[in-house]
Amino acid sequence: DAGVTQSPTHLIKTRGQQVTLRCSPISGHKSVSWYQQVLGQGPQFIFQYYEKEERGRGNFPDRFSARQFPNYSSELNVNALLLGDSALYLCASSLPGEDTQYFGPGTRLTVL
Amino acid sequence: KNQVEQSPQSLIILEGKNCTLQCNYTVSPFSNLRWYKQDTGRGPVSLTIMTFSENTKSNGRYTATLDADTKQSSLHITASQLSDSASYICVVSDYGNNRLAFGKGNQVVVIP
Repeated sequence: DAGVTQSPTHLIKTRGQQVTLRCSPISGHKSVSWYQQVLGQGPQFIFQYYEKEERGRGNFPDRFSARQFPNYSSELNVNALLLGDSALYLCASSLPGEDTQYFGPGTRLTVL
Repeated sequence: KNQVEQSPQSLIILEGKNCTLQCNYTVSPFSNLRWYKQDTGRGPVSLTIMTFSENTKSNGRYTATLDADTKQSSLHITASQLSDSASYICVVSDYGNNRLAFGKGNQVVVIP
């Protein structure tokens, strides 16, 4: 069984650039959540999407946006990158009615 | 504000020895508590999940305990192996908001 997949695995950007991260949930999972994990810290909630609608948003600036597609895959966009955006970005999916989340391997973003 | 505090922040143990990780939370109302294992640069993988009515749950050499009255949980690793070197994250589900509160993790290093 394929788990949650994310692409790319690593990414290097410079300040001010824009980035798009992609996530494919486990088959049958309709909910996708995005987390930012800075080195040495626990994951911080960014967004949750369910059935293509935003169901939750964490304390992140408007530079962060996301969307979910009809096939339940999702994209996370970050505009005007800052050095502090360097982190591991995790995507997690879950089944309808369950809050157990299955995490992908993450995308390591480095902003120079 | 919901909080999850983990201790110790990091520890080094000899291969074959046991260790116990602590998690204290203030999330209320409480739905369930999970322990995740996260290898460096990878996504978290679920080890155990407990509801408020469960006191202990095992997964191989990992045993989690929960005291919902004192809002404390522990994860005990028996006969540690080198592959146990990872960050162990305590995650508490907020029943009211259906949100997950993450601890910063316990960094465990097992040495031969």
